[in-house]
Amino acid sequence: QITLKESGPTLVKPTQTLTLTCAFSGFSLTTSGVGVGWIRQPPGKALEWLALIYWDDDKRYRPSLESRLAITKDTSKNQVVLTMTNLDPVDTATYYCAHRLLGADKPMVWGQGTLVTVSS
Amino acid sequence: DIQMTQSPSTLYASVGDRVTITCRASRSVSPWLAWYQQEPGKAPKLLIYKTSSLESGVSSRFSGRASGTEFTLTISSLQPDDFATYYCQQYTSYPWTFGQGTKVEFK
Repeated sequence: QITLKESGPTLVKPTQTLTLTCAFSGFSLTTSGVGVGWIRQPPGKALEWLALIYWDDDKRYRPSLESRLAITKDTSKNQVVLTMTNLDPVDTATYYCAHRLLGADKPMVWGQGTLVTVSS
Repeated sequence: DIQMTQSPSTLYASVGDRVTITCRASRSVSPWLAWYQQEPGKAPKLLIYKTSSLESGVSSRFSGRASGTEFTLTISSLQPDDFATYYCQQYTSYPWTFGQGTKVEFK
C-alpha cells in the first residue's frame, strides 16, 4: 500500500525559506518510472501543481515558481524534500506530496497534506 | 501552460438531481484528464482518470466523458455525500494544471 506523509513548519516568516519533507512507504524511488511530486492549495482556492522528481533524478517545475523551488530525493530514507525560497503570505497553503508512476493511467496517489502559514 | 477552464464555479442542486460539471482545456489533453472530489480539510479523492475510467471503489453514479477539448463529469443522482468541491486536472504535459473547482451546494 502506497502512503505519503508531509512534514515541516506550520508557521514561516516572510522572506524565509520553507523546507518540506515527504516521507513515503509502499514504493521505492529507485524503481524505474517512479516519481514524487508536490501540489499546494491556498485556503479556499484551487490546487496548484509545483514540482516532481523521478527515479532517475529528472526534475520538473512549475515555470512561474521554478526560480524559487528545489526538489531533491533521499532514497536511503524514502524521502523527498521540497525547498521554497523567499516566502510571501500568498504562499500560505496546504502542501501535498504525491506518488506518480510514469506512463500510468492514473495521475497520482496523494498524501494527507500539511498546512503552512506565512506570516510575520 | 495548458489552461483548464472549469464551470460552473458553484452549482446548486438537490438530492436526486443529475448534475454536470464541465472543464475545457486550452489545447488537446486527451485522454489524460482526471476528476477529483474534495471535502473540507481533506486531500482530493480521485473519482475518474483517463477521461472516463472509474476509480476503484467509486460509485458508478459518477461518469466522465470528452468531446474534443471539453470534458464533463456527471453525477447521475446526487447523494448527500456528493456535496463537495470538484476539480479537473490535466496530466498530459508539465506543468500539470487544475480547473478552478466547482462547489456543489444544497439548493
